[in-house]
This record gives sequence, C-alpha cells and structure tokens, in this order.
Amino acid sequence: ETGVTQTPRHLVMGMTNKKSLKCEQHLGHNAMYWYKQSAKKPLELMFVYSLEERVENNSVPSRFSPECPNSSHLFLHLHTLQPEDSALYLCASRIGGGGPQFFGPGTRLTVL
Amino acid sequence: RKEVEQDPGPFNVPEGATVAFNCTYSNSASQSFFWYRQDCRKEPKLLMSVYSSGNEDGRFTAQLNRASQYISLLIRDSKLSDSATYLCVVRDDKIIFGKGTRLHILP
Repeated sequence: ETGVTQTPRHLVMGMTNKKSLKCEQHLGHNAMYWYKQSAKKPLELMFVYSLEERVENNSVPSRFSPECPNSSHLFLHLHTLQPEDSALYLCASRIGGGGPQFFGPGTRLTVL
Repeated sequence: RKEVEQDPGPFNVPEGATVAFNCTYSNSASQSFFWYRQDCRKEPKLLMSVYSSGNEDGRFTAQLNRASQYISLLIRDSKLSDSATYLCVVRDDKIIFGKGTRLHILP
C-alpha cells in the first residue's frame, strides 16, 4: 500500500542533531496523527491535526515539534532527543466522520 | 475502568482452531469500533470495522455488544499467518487504541 508514506524509514541520530520526519497521505483524508511505539509497548498518541477530535499532547516533550502545512503533509521536527526517544514513529490519516485510520510504515528512530 | 481493555495474551492456538477475543470499553457514547492487526515491527493494519449488526469477512467475524460495552473478534480455521497482535480501537471524541492481544498460531 502507498496511501500513507513516511520518510525516512530508518534514522540514527545523535542527541545534539536536528532532524525531521515526513509523512504524506494520498488518500484525500483530513485528519493526520503522530504516534510513538516503543519496543513491545502499545501505541502512544503524540499529536493530532483534525477539526473533529480533542487533542491530548501535554505529555509530549517540547523536543518534538509537529508541523502540518496542509491536509496531505505532516512533519515531526526533532531536536536534542534522548536515547529513550528511540522508537517506531508512526503517522496515520483518516477521512473523518467515523472512518478508520490508515497508517504509514513508520520511521524507526535510534538516538545514540 | 480503563477506557479500552484487552486481554494481552498470548493466546497459543493450534492451526485450524477457532479463537475469539473480546475488548471492553468504558464510554457508552463511543461511536465507531475497529479491529487492527499488527505484525512485529510493522505498522497496524485495518482488519475490519465493527458494525452494530455484526459483520463477517471470510474467516473473521466482528460483533458489537453495546449493552455490555464490548466488541469481539472471532477467527475461524486459524492459519499460521494469523499470528500477530490484534488491536481494538474505539472512537468517541477521540480515537483510543487498546494495548493489543497477542495471538500465536501453532503448527
């Protein structure tokens, strides 16, 4: 499936680096999400861009910064990350009106 | 009560058997329900939506019980390829994922 794409697929960065993750959806959806999934742990919602949903991101550290320039693109800007931020970062999109989410393949991030 | 609860498993089931899992939710106003499967180190993939009248897709049957606030997933004639983690998703004013039930199909 190529409906939701994410780049890069793998990223290794040092704690002082700045990098960005990119997500693009070609499904005409109007809501986009960032999730974090650490090894053998459940999904953690980080950010939502949607007119329909309540957003909960109080627990996400400020070293993660989302950007949604339009309904098809979503970025996650990373700076001064910690080793515990190593995880699979998943983007998802949804049409709205009760429809399901569709996920991208994820970016596997390792922070050294 | 947690918003969405699933038995984490693992369920170890012989190939060809039938297996069922439930997922309970706490908000009676929840509107949409889904089952996803997630393979190791991969993204979750939509398995099926769950409709009020119940729905079937091949070997998979999903049901919703609003009175008792749970959804279920039944897998018949299980295959080795069904081994995965099955995630329950419930939507009220936000989307909530369960922590998943691990299923191992044994040859």
